[in-house]
Amino acid sequence: QQQVKQSPQSLIVQKGGISIINCAYENTAFDYFPWYQQFPGKGPALLIAIRPDVSEKKEGRFTISFNKSAKQFSLHIMDSQPGDSATYFCAASKTGTASKLTFGTGTRLQVTL
Amino acid sequence: GAVVSQHPSWVICKSGTSVKIECRSLDFQATTMFWYRQFPKQSLMLMATSNEGSKATYEQGVEKDKFLINHASLTLSTLTVTSAHPEDSSFYICSARSPGTGFAEQYFGPGTRLTVT
Repeated sequence: QQQVKQSPQSLIVQKGGISIINCAYENTAFDYFPWYQQFPGKGPALLIAIRPDVSEKKEGRFTISFNKSAKQFSLHIMDSQPGDSATYFCAASKTGTASKLTFGTGTRLQVTL
Repeated sequence: GAVVSQHPSWVICKSGTSVKIECRSLDFQATTMFWYRQFPKQSLMLMATSNEGSKATYEQGVEKDKFLINHASLTLSTLTVTSAHPEDSSFYICSARSPGTGFAEQYFGPGTRLTVT
């Protein structure tokens, strides 16, 4: 019940296209859903996060869509750029002092010219 | 804001020796820090949760005596890999939890690449 399933495992998108990464969770107690971006040899960087009280959150070219009934959330990268090429991890947790992040398996995104 | 640093960024040590990795929250106080391990092309694996002033909580399967964690202050946690062996070679990443937003947000350090020869 603690799993977060992420797909696809890898993704190739042309420059200017839309990258879409999907995640599904099982634990209905989760109430915080962040996305992290990781470049090779670096630590993950918090990209954007959402809570279940909203269905969408947008920050620049990055949008999270959240479907509480389906227990799914997705990351959309609009106008994808070569600099977006990285590994993206979704995660989920409960808020509170005992919270721990449960990570998805990651998606390797390559944006081609 | 929310910057976490790690030192060293990479370290090579000989089998049987110990190595210490530091994790610092630079611009906020972190009562809780986390230590992760990441193998190539894999997700992050939580090793332990480090709470300031108390013993760390280790995940199932993580050897407490091999991976010693000390959270000495609100801005510093250390991971010591004792009697390191080649199979301990990995990318170790710490994170610090921000007290804002209901204690949910975690900010990660840049990671430490450990190679045991």
